[in-house]
Amino acid sequence: NAGVTQTPKFQVLKTGQSMTLQCAQDMNHNSMYWYRQDPGMGLRLIYYSASEGTTDKGEVPNGYNVSRLNKREFSLRLESAAPSQTSVYFCASSEWPNTEAFFGQGTRLTVV
Amino acid sequence: KQEVTQIPAALSVPEGENLVLNCSFTDSAIYNLQWFRQDPGKGLTSLLLIQSSQREQTSGRLNASLDKSSGRSTLYIAASQPGDSATYLCAVKDRGSTLGRLYFGRGTQLTVWP
Repeated sequence: NAGVTQTPKFQVLKTGQSMTLQCAQDMNHNSMYWYRQDPGMGLRLIYYSASEGTTDKGEVPNGYNVSRLNKREFSLRLESAAPSQTSVYFCASSEWPNTEAFFGQGTRLTVV
Repeated sequence: KQEVTQIPAALSVPEGENLVLNCSFTDSAIYNLQWFRQDPGKGLTSLLLIQSSQREQTSGRLNASLDKSSGRSTLYIAASQPGDSATYLCAVKDRGSTLGRLYFGRGTQLTVWP
């Protein structure tokens, strides 16, 4: 049972570089999310997608873009990485509104 | 905006103790509340999900309760073991959100020593 799979698990970027974080779920969920986790801040929502073809901003969207490629995949793109984007990124999925949310194992990103 | 608070921030207990972790939230208009476990450097593992209409859920040595009207939930861990050492996160799925996003507390870091 794969659940939610994120790639890569670790990444080091230089300031100004770009990269895409990949997320795929095999549970046929409609809703997918990207969160970031920072020490002392908890998890904060970056972007979410209610269904294939729709995306919307969360509470910390600046510096990020997303694509809901199909029902399974939801990617997060950093166009020009900044040190403030050093964080752990988690992808999640669920069926809105009453069901359990499932999380991937995270991507640990360092921007130098 | 929904705010979730977890107390205590850290807890250290000897093996075998029964313990309670607390979670409070400011807006009672929720769909459900979910408890997660996070091991260092790892992802979030779902432990228990309580729907807004439920009072409690149990899984093995874990029991979670929900008092929606007072905005509180507790996670009870019976007969704690060193393997229970982890950070425990509480999250609510808010009815005010158009998508039912999760609002997280900052977690309780639990250490169980032999």
